[in-house]
Amino acid sequence: EIVLTQSPGTLSLSPGERATLSCRASQSVSTAYLAWYQQKPGQAPRLLIYGASHRATGIPDRFSGSGSGTDFTLSISRLQPEDFAVYYCQQYGTSPLTFGGGTKVQIK
Amino acid sequence: QVQLVESGGGVVQPGRSLRLSCSASGFTFSTYSMHWVRQAPGKGLEWVADISYDGSKKYDADSVKGRFTISRDNSKNTLYLQMNSLRPEDTAMYYCARDGYSYGYYMDVWGKGTTVTVSS
Repeated sequence: EIVLTQSPGTLSLSPGERATLSCRASQSVSTAYLAWYQQKPGQAPRLLIYGASHRATGIPDRFSGSGSGTDFTLSISRLQPEDFAVYYCQQYGTSPLTFGGGTKVQIK
Repeated sequence: QVQLVESGGGVVQPGRSLRLSCSASGFTFSTYSMHWVRQAPGKGLEWVADISYDGSKKYDADSVKGRFTISRDNSKNTLYLQMNSLRPEDTAMYYCARDGYSYGYYMDVWGKGTTVTVSS
């Protein structure tokens, strides 16, 4: 199975700053079949990005995804108070589907 | 609006069984593949199983293979997860989710989850 490693584990930033989250795969993710999710405490995950770079419906344009092969990035251009949460990447190019371990973005 | 509501969770002893349900509304359930994803307390997300729109294709994680069975009843707009031979490590929040594209892709709609605790 494809193992996804997210880094850093925790990111401490201030509102207005830019966040850059990494997701590295143990083998190439075919056709950039990679998604990103946001999860806040006590809530279900929410889809942000699919196909590595396509924003899901209703997602603000401060969220952007990039990458291919084994290296993918989620960027948040100007952190808003509601963006402090845990972010997960997920690959769907190869069965079984797998998630990364998550990156927590917390207020500095 | 599009909604998924899970039910059936609870406290169960190791080795026993439990069946989770996920009721769908606000979309044509019979045309979407569906997933179960779980999250152990304080841990990350783990994909459990998925099923195609008509139930003809199923796939599950090695961690639950032979113990859990995913199924669906399109006439009732309901997804199920039959969990047998439960173990303490199955303790988690269980989410059902809709596939956002076809079969075995990403999840674009999630329920709020139902909690399963396996303990003696």
